[in-house]
This record gives sequence, structure tokens and C-alpha cells, in this order.
Amino acid sequence: NAGVTQTPKFQVLKTGQSMTLQCAQDMNHEYMSWYRQDPGMGLRLIHYSVGAGITDQGEVPNGYNVSRSTTEDFPLRLLSAAPSQTSVYFCASSYHRGGEAKNIQYFGAGTRLSVL
Amino acid sequence: AQTVTQSQPEMSVQEAETVTLSCTYDTSESDYYLFWYKQPPSRQMILVIRQEAYKQQNATENRFSVNFQKAAKSFSLKISDSQLGDAAMYFCAYRPKAAGNKLTFGGGTRVLVKP
Repeated sequence: NAGVTQTPKFQVLKTGQSMTLQCAQDMNHEYMSWYRQDPGMGLRLIHYSVGAGITDQGEVPNGYNVSRSTTEDFPLRLLSAAPSQTSVYFCASSYHRGGEAKNIQYFGAGTRLSVL
Repeated sequence: AQTVTQSQPEMSVQEAETVTLSCTYDTSESDYYLFWYKQPPSRQMILVIRQEAYKQQNATENRFSVNFQKAAKSFSLKISDSQLGDAAMYFCAYRPKAAGNKLTFGGGTRVLVKP
């Protein structure tokens, strides 16, 4: 299994540009989330989804949009990039059902984004 | 809102020795989960150990164990027989039972292992 796959691994944007960070999982997980990690800090939740067609805001949602049209994919969109969005972005997924397994979040390798 | 605090920005340990990382959290929930994640330089987030709040027994995973004090809202991680590969950032995380994918992370503790 590939697990959670994030693309691209690195990206440089200019202020005002838009882009989409891709996240795909092949574990048939219901739950998916996006986090950002700023230097010297822990991860903070941006948006999350409990299933296809259902999304909600996390702790730091401003400037980001998400959609969940399939179970496998959960893209994160930056509509107009700002320097404050320079960060490392992580996608994660987990089971909703399944006993002990549902307590484990699987993380992608991260996308390092710089906004100039 | 829940908060997770790791008061030690950095800890240093001699190879084969033991190091303990501190974590405290604030919540009004009674049922929740606690986690320790390891983040090596590769940036990959790796689950080290997890604890369910309703279980009194402290979780253990090989050389990793926790000291869970529910009343004190404390969740420390002990790394025994430290190895060079243990060098990484360690993050404590909290999740209410009803919030399946909403983790709240602490700020992290960097562990340095000296040979």
C-alpha cells in the first residue's frame, strides 16, 4: 500500500498565486485532515473531512478551501497565496470504524510551501 | 478549547540512557486519547505510542512507555535504552473520543542522543 500520498513535495509561489496541494490515500479511510506546521511549532488543523461530501473547518482555516468528492482524495486549495502561508503542510487519514485501528492517524510526507 | 503544552524545547540524553519528556493538556472532556508522535529530519510523522483515557494501565511499546496521570492531566513519555535513531522531534497530541480526526498538538521537544 502507498498509504497517504502528498504532491508536490516542494512548491514556491508568488504572493497572490493560487495552487492546490494534493492528498490521496488508498486505505479506504473515512476521515481525512489537513494540518500546517510552522517552524518550531506543532501541527495545527486547517480543515477536515469525515467522509465524501462532508468537510469542516479546523483551528486555522482562513485562506484555504477543501472539498471531498471521493473517499480517496482530499485536495487543499490556496486561492490567493500570502507569505503567512509559508509552512509545511501535512495530510492525514484514519478509519472511522474498526476498533483500535480507528485511533491511528496516518500522515503523508508533507509539502513544503514557500510564498514569496 | 483544548491545549497541549510541552515545556521542554530540547532534551539531551546519552546513548543507552533514559530520557523522559513532559506533556500536560487542558480539557473538559472525560473520554479522549493521547498520543506521542516522532518526527525525524525526514519530516514524516510516526506514531510512537497511544493511550486511552479510560484505561488506567500505562501504555508501553518496546522501549517507549508513558506515565499517564489523568487527574493531573499529565502524559509523559519515557524512552529507555536510548538509541541514535531516537533523535528527533517528539510531539504530544490529544484527541477527544468523539472527534475522530481532530488532533491538537503540543509545540514539540527535540531529543538529542549523544554517542
